[in-house]
Order: sequence, then structure tokens, then C-alpha cells
Amino acid sequence: GDSVTQMEGPVTLSEEACLTINCTYTATGYPSLFWYVQYPGEGLQLLLKATKADDKGSNKGFEATYRKETTSFHLEKGSVQVSDSAVYFCALLNTGFQKLVFGTGTRLLVSP
Amino acid sequence: DVKVTQSSRYLVKRTGEKVFLECVQDMDHENMFWYRQDPGLGLRLIYFSYDVKMKEKGDIPEGYSVSREKKERFSLILESASTNQTSMYLCASKRQGNSNQPQHFGDGTRLSIL
Repeated sequence: GDSVTQMEGPVTLSEEACLTINCTYTATGYPSLFWYVQYPGEGLQLLLKATKADDKGSNKGFEATYRKETTSFHLEKGSVQVSDSAVYFCALLNTGFQKLVFGTGTRLLVSP
Repeated sequence: DVKVTQSSRYLVKRTGEKVFLECVQDMDHENMFWYRQDPGLGLRLIYFSYDVKMKEKGDIPEGYSVSREKKERFSLILESASTNQTSMYLCASKRQGNSNQPQHFGDGTRLSIL
């Protein structure tokens, strides 16, 4: 079945450092890919999405590119802030289905 | 903006109790979902519903049931609560049809079973 694999956390960075959180997937067909973020004490919010190969999703300085050849959707940010501290979830939604498949989440901790 | 509201942020119940978790969305979405979130396991789908009175089992339905009597409301029921059901429960909704549409989440209910 479909699955998503994320790098284990926590990822600990200093403010203004570069961020990469790896995400790879296994799926039949042509899924849509998503990054969700969960701030402390809150539910999940959509951060960005990409719906086909080579699409780049971006929001709040974060970017991720849908790479079909490597089945990856890595999340990147050039300069992180303390306020980016959260748990980040990679997810896929396959064509014709309504259910998201989530990775296990990666906690990001940014210190001043 | 889509609003998904879960009735309680924190809930404490006793083993064997019947527990109801309520979720309401205000955007006329057809699809609604219940997940549980546990450290190291991410989000796991318990049940989902694609229309009123329709439901489908997710990946971990055992010990749970659901009710969708109205389009905007999706209830999760723990028939006889057990300590291994202590978890964070998240409700989500989505417009049906277009797989590009994201799911919108509530803030979660942290449930403790004593």
C-alpha cells in the first residue's frame, strides 16, 4: 500500500540556519503531496502542497519540490526562526482516494 | 476560512465509560475524518465518512464507532474506554472529489482514560 517515510527527529537548529526535512513516498499512480505543520497545542495546518511531478509548493519561506524520479518531497527553508518550532508531517493523497497517508512527523526545535 | 471545531480540548474519563467526541465543520464538506495521534506513530485513521449516514473503517477502527447524522457533524464513540485509548484525537474535513483539496483539521482533543 501507499506509505510515507520521514526523517526521525528532533531536528535542532539555531535561528537563521538552513533546514531540510527529508520525505520519501511509495505510491501507485500519481499522488498529490502535502506538508502539514502542527504548532504546540494546536491541530494540523496545511503548509504547502504539490499536485504533479516537478511542481514546487511554497509558503512562509518553506519550499518543497515533487520529485517523481526519486519519489521525494523534501521540505526546505533557507533561514529558520524560533517561531518555526513545530512538528512537520509529510503526507500523500492518491488519485481517486480521499484518505491522506501521513508520515510519522518530524519535530523541529529552533533556538535563539 | 474553514472552521473545524472539536467540542473539548481536554477530556478525562474512566475505564469502561462510553465516551463521545464531537466534531463540527462549517464549510459544507462532504468528507470527514477521525485520527488519533501518538508519539512515534504519526496520525492513524480511525474512521471516515463521505456522506451523511455513510462511514468507512480506517486503519485502526477496533474499539471505536462513529455517527454522521448531519453533514456538519461527525462523532467518534469509544464504546467502552480503555487505557490504551489515551491519545490525542484529531478531526478533519475535506471537500469531496478533487484530490488536490487539503484536509482541514480541528485543534484536537487530548483524551486521558484512567
